[in-house]
Amino acid sequence: DADVTQTPRNRITKTGKRIMLECSQTKGHDRMYWYRQDPGLGLRLIYYSFDVKDINKGEISDGYSVSRQAQAKFSLSLESAIPNQTALYFCATSDSGGGFQPQHFGDGTRLSIL
Amino acid sequence: KNQVEQSPQSLIILEGKNCTLQCNYTVSPFSNLRWYKQDTGRGPVSLTIMTFSENTKSNGRYTATLDADTKQSSLHITASQLSDSASYICVVSPYNFNKFYFGSGTKLNVKP
Repeated sequence: DADVTQTPRNRITKTGKRIMLECSQTKGHDRMYWYRQDPGLGLRLIYYSFDVKDINKGEISDGYSVSRQAQAKFSLSLESAIPNQTALYFCATSDSGGGFQPQHFGDGTRLSIL
Repeated sequence: KNQVEQSPQSLIILEGKNCTLQCNYTVSPFSNLRWYKQDTGRGPVSLTIMTFSENTKSNGRYTATLDADTKQSSLHITASQLSDSASYICVVSPYNFNKFYFGSGTKLNVKP
């Protein structure tokens, strides 16, 4: 089983719909992140959480919200989806060891908004 | 402005050949630089992490070098294999560990 699991893997929906992307991990890491990846661009950070009670905005948080339901679960919501939110979304985790720990990524959710 | 630029954007090589991918950054103050491999349809996987005091780090056939003075890094792949076909992403962190600056990646295609 994958250490970082994202569901769904693919989703097509319509403008204005509310969407939730889920991420769960079995690595026991405190830190979790949500990124989006667009063609020709580097990954961009949407939100990150260093523990259950610590949630922070990343560089592109507008239009998104998150919930850290437990140490192992971090979900990303699009309250009212718009077409320019069409992208590949990745969840990642890392240990809290002084900032030099690698991030472990899920395999992504491909989201298309029509 | 903190930026990470990778070159080339894409590269085609024959199986068994070596190649070198480049990463230039302007992130300051610098803390560490990472290289990730991203297979098609998969999430990135960590290859190496280097701090400012490290000049080189290897992971099997992958060798990363870092020149913190010129703000340049390279990833050298030796004796390429078909399974090396992937995108390679350079990521730089400043001392604020909440931030990761991602390059847009180099797409490598290894042909038989």
